[in-house]
Amino acid sequence: EDQVTQSPEALRLQEGESSSLNCSYTVSGLRGLFWYRQDPGKGPEFLFTLYSAGEEKEKERLKATLTKKESFLHITAPKPEDSATYLCAVQAGYGGATNKLIFGTGTLLAVQP
Amino acid sequence: GAGVSQTPSNKVTEKGKYVELRCDPISGHTALYWYRQSLGQGPEFLIYFQGTGAADDSGLPNDRFFAVRPEGSVSTLKIQRTERGDSAVYLCASSLMAGANSPLHFGNGTRLTVT
Repeated sequence: EDQVTQSPEALRLQEGESSSLNCSYTVSGLRGLFWYRQDPGKGPEFLFTLYSAGEEKEKERLKATLTKKESFLHITAPKPEDSATYLCAVQAGYGGATNKLIFGTGTLLAVQP
Repeated sequence: GAGVSQTPSNKVTEKGKYVELRCDPISGHTALYWYRQSLGQGPEFLIYFQGTGAADDSGLPNDRFFAVRPEGSVSTLKIQRTERGDSAVYLCASSLMAGANSPLHFGNGTRLTVT
């Protein structure tokens, strides 16, 4: 069964204190791994798509990396406005199968000034 | 440009009633998805439309749930005989096309509360 596990469940950082969030996955035929940011009362906001092991993507203070078993979201020198829940999701299946995303439960990040 | 729009933003209903939740996708997006999110959980897939047809409805929990997209744009999620366990945020998303190359763009959801 396809599965996505995120850790930690919650993370509290001081402003400027870099850290990483983890997303472990078990899927049959990874077609893409996605990172989303979700603010309270809002829908998830797309950040990155990673397709294959070794791939990296960056956006401002965020960098996402991918291996064959997990993905990391590195946050460098975070600011209070980076506080949110970060969701990881995978799209799996061979031969044009379902396009559904399977989400993890998220990491709630709080950055204190 | 306009994003995915969902109405109503909040819906309170009594157990046993029927509800309809509406989603207006981004213009030109052919793929549309419904997800359900409970407190402290990630979104859970319900159904995916490619154009007017439901390409994958494997996530619908039972036959009380039904969704339509008659003209390939607006979609309605319909829930019959609502139960307290149906309380959640219902999220709609759209993408330009199906596939990993086309990320999903989500609306802000409809918060459904069944009393």
